[in-house]
Amino acid sequence: DQQVKQNSPSLSVQEGRISILNCDYTNSMFDYFLWYKKYPAEGPTFLISISSIKDKNEDGRFTVFLNKSAKHLSLHIVPSQPGDSAVYFCAAKGESGTASKLTFGTGTRLQVTL
Amino acid sequence: DGGITQSPKYLFRKEGQNVTLSCEQNLNHDAMYWYRQDPGQGLRLIYYSQIVNDFQKGDIAEGYSVSREKKESFPLTVTSAQKNPTAFYLCASGGFLGNTEAFFGQGTRLTVV
Repeated sequence: DQQVKQNSPSLSVQEGRISILNCDYTNSMFDYFLWYKKYPAEGPTFLISISSIKDKNEDGRFTVFLNKSAKHLSLHIVPSQPGDSAVYFCAAKGESGTASKLTFGTGTRLQVTL
Repeated sequence: DGGITQSPKYLFRKEGQNVTLSCEQNLNHDAMYWYRQDPGQGLRLIYYSQIVNDFQKGDIAEGYSVSREKKESFPLTVTSAQKNPTAFYLCASGGFLGNTEAFFGQGTRLTVV
């Protein structure tokens, strides 16, 4: 049962515009959410995170929004740049009794076009 | 330099052989993880360890084994019982507490022929 879902396998955005990547989760125990960026044949790199006590966290061009009632989070990238082209994974932590367990979604491939 | 190191980057093995993938970190992290990525797929959790001498099965632990004898090391053995071992394997480490991120190694691509 997929507890963290990224329903859009791919997204294409023009350079300079906003990229919005979405993520849904089913486990209400999750209390910390993270976004990672991944290039082929490399390990994911951490981008930004958000605690469940917040609804927004911003870091430069990256902003993560959390809607707990809808069990939904999104990553906004503004402005999008060609170097942002990669696969983006959302992840969640906080299942009961397993504070460290980190569960990932299936990823969204972002392509930023010129 | 602090970081997490996986070795080797590429590994070839014959079907039926066990193989051990190395993962070492010098970040003083309590938690360590092993994930598997298949082409076009997400990251699926194989095993994770929250502290030394303790580890928990993830979502796809069958055919794999781990040990956590030292804080710095979390080797993964892919046994002959794993039906489809060819994949990209990723190790990560992070803090024990919930509100901390995990950092990944560069991965090991295992090909079983």
